[in-house]
Amino acid sequence: QSVLTQPPSVSGAPRQRVTISCSGSSSNIENNAVNWYQQVPGKAPKLLIYYDDLLPSGVSDRFSGSKSGTSGSLAISGLQPEDEAEYYCAAWDDSLNGPVFGGGTKLTVL
Amino acid sequence: QLQLQESGPGLVKPSETLSLTCSVSGGSISRSSYYWAWIRQPPRKGLEWIGDIYDSGSTYYNPSLKSRITISVDTSNNRFSLNLYSVTAADTAVYYCAIRDGYNSGRFDPWGQGTLVTVSS
Repeated sequence: QSVLTQPPSVSGAPRQRVTISCSGSSSNIENNAVNWYQQVPGKAPKLLIYYDDLLPSGVSDRFSGSKSGTSGSLAISGLQPEDEAEYYCAAWDDSLNGPVFGGGTKLTVL
Repeated sequence: QLQLQESGPGLVKPSETLSLTCSVSGGSISRSSYYWAWIRQPPRKGLEWIGDIYDSGSTYYNPSLKSRITISVDTSNNRFSLNLYSVTAADTAVYYCAIRDGYNSGRFDPWGQGTLVTVSS
């Protein structure tokens, strides 16, 4: 049972846009930054979005992040086959006094 | 550009201690104001923060693991380590080391490649 809640799976056709939600609470997302990670099978997670909506150097601008209240969201536009991966959100939790992750969302490109 | 690499035994017996090391290259661990972190991922499951160490001494542990873990820094060899005591099969996971960039942050970057540790007799 993860502190942050994500849908187990999402899917979309090539060139479409998909969004992945990350639901939390006032002890985490509402008052702390949301970060997103992409993990392809057999590899380490890679930072995709940090501080709610910032892109690390080298990350495609097809990826974008947003936050409203106790929820964060990752959007991927112009879906490509290589976007097929597991996506995780993470944020600091004031109650746990540590960072917490969502359970992960598997993106399938149809 | 800092790079991280985990090392340690791939098989640990139940009730024994899991010991892993993360070697840091591309910069000095003692000159960086980062949180040196451990994260794990059981097979086919999600990510779990284990804990981290800051400024060569201050440690922050996941409450669910706090009684069984120690994280330490070896500045002379530019690495940091994880000890997880009294392991069970539930501790079988890929263990990652990573850098966390601030006290109340969930930003981890970069990550090591990860190392699979299996707990089995």
